[in-house]
Amino acid sequence: GENVEQHPSTLSVQEGDSAVIKCTYSDSASNYFPWYKQELGKGPQLIIDIRSNVGEKKDQRIAVTLNKTAKHFSLHITETQPEDSAVYFCAARVSGGGADGLTFGKGTHLIIQP
Amino acid sequence: DGGITQSPKYLFRKEGQNVTLSCEQNLNHDAMYWYRQDPGQGLRLIYYSQIVNDFQKGDIAEGYSVSREKKESFPLTVTSAQKNPTAFYLCASSLDGGSDYGYTFGSGTRLTVV
Repeated sequence: GENVEQHPSTLSVQEGDSAVIKCTYSDSASNYFPWYKQELGKGPQLIIDIRSNVGEKKDQRIAVTLNKTAKHFSLHITETQPEDSAVYFCAARVSGGGADGLTFGKGTHLIIQP
Repeated sequence: DGGITQSPKYLFRKEGQNVTLSCEQNLNHDAMYWYRQDPGQGLRLIYYSQIVNDFQKGDIAEGYSVSREKKESFPLTVTSAQKNPTAFYLCASSLDGGSDYGYTFGSGTRLTVV
């Protein structure tokens, strides 16, 4: 089955700086890659996703890049703000397959230092 | 507003007791999932269901049971056979089990053994 590795487990950046979280996946057939943000005591929320037919997607301060050859994808957050502090999860799945759905990374705790 | 509701938010279980966690969605989603979250472990799949009256074991199903009698509802029972049930439990749903859509998560139930 699919295996998703996520790094780093903890990331501390100064407010206003950029943050990058990286994930690798094992199944070359995977073609859908969402990112979730989880605030303390809450459920994860989808913040951005990318499909394998594109290499990059942006939404304001958030961007995701995908390298299918290397089987890795990354989340980029620019001009970080205190409200960006949370745990971020990447995930991957094979479209049309894998009835058990998404395979998640273990999460990155992002800390924004004032 | 459409969404997914988990209840209760906090639950305390005595040794040897079964408890049931509720998950209800009004998104008309076919697929529903239960995850367990422990610190540093990410999200681990307990059970999933693609359609009514059908469900499958995930990676850590031992000590848990589910039912899917209605499309909207996917309750999880933590039985006395689960030796270490203290964790944060998340329910999620998606349009179907094989499509390129992300999950919608509930806000979670924190279960503690007393």
